Amino acid sequence: KAGVTQTPRYLIKTRGQQVTLSCSPISGHRSVSWYQQTPGQGLQFLFEYFSETQRNKGNFPGRFSGRQFSNSRSEMNVSTLELGDSALYLCASRPTGTASETQYFGPGTRLLVL
Amino acid sequence: AQSVTQPDIHITVSEGASLELRCNYSYGATPYLFWYVQSPGQGLQLLLKYFSGDTLVQGIKGFEAEFKRSQSSFNLRKPSVHWSDAAEYFCAVGAQGAAGNKLTFGGGTRVLVKP
Repeated sequence: KAGVTQTPRYLIKTRGQQVTLSCSPISGHRSVSWYQQTPGQGLQFLFEYFSETQRNKGNFPGRFSGRQFSNSRSEMNVSTLELGDSALYLCASRPTGTASETQYFGPGTRLLVL
Repeated sequence: AQSVTQPDIHITVSEGASLELRCNYSYGATPYLFWYVQSPGQGLQLLLKYFSGDTLVQGIKGFEAEFKRSQSSFNLRKPSVHWSDAAEYFCAVGAQGAAGNKLTFGGGTRVLVKP
C-alpha cells in the first residue's frame, strides 16, 4: 500500500496570508490526525478527523482549522499566518482511530512564514 | 492528562556500542506506548509499540523496549548501534476516552553516532 502523502512538501508564505495543506491517508484508513512540530514546542497535536467529523482538537487558536472529505483525504488551513506558525506539519492516518492503532505518518509539509 | 518525559536531549554513542534512550510517562490507566524515529527532513517511523502482554517488546532495526509499570518507564535499547541510527527518537503515549485518541510525545532525544 502507498503510504501517507502530504502536499506540498515545502511552502513559503508571508505574515497575514492563509495556507492550505493536504493529506492523503493510507488506503482504507478513516482517521487522520494532524501534528505541528517546532524546535521550541516539539510535536503537538492539532486535531483528528474521522468519517468527515472532527473528533478531537488540540490547544491551538481558531486560526487553525481542518476538514475531511468522504474519501478520507484531509486538509488543514491556517489563516492570518504568524511567524510562529513556521513549522513542520505532519499528518498521520490509522484505520479507525482507536488508541491502540499505530499512527502512520507522512513526510510532512514544511511551512516557512516570512 | 497524559505526559511523556525524555530526560536526555542529546546522546552521543560510538558505532558498535549499545544505546539506551529513556522515557517516562504519566497516565492514569494502562498506557499505549510507542517509539518513533525521525531522520532529518523526514516524517516519523514507528520502531515499536506496547499495548499489553510481554513487557519486553521487539521492534524494527534491532530495537527493543521494556515497559516497567512500577517505574512508569518505557526505555528503548539497541545492543549495537550503526551509523544509520543517527536520528531523533520520540517516545509517545496514546490515550483513549475523554483525553481523545491522540498521541502525546516526549521532547525527543537526538542520537549522534561517532565512527
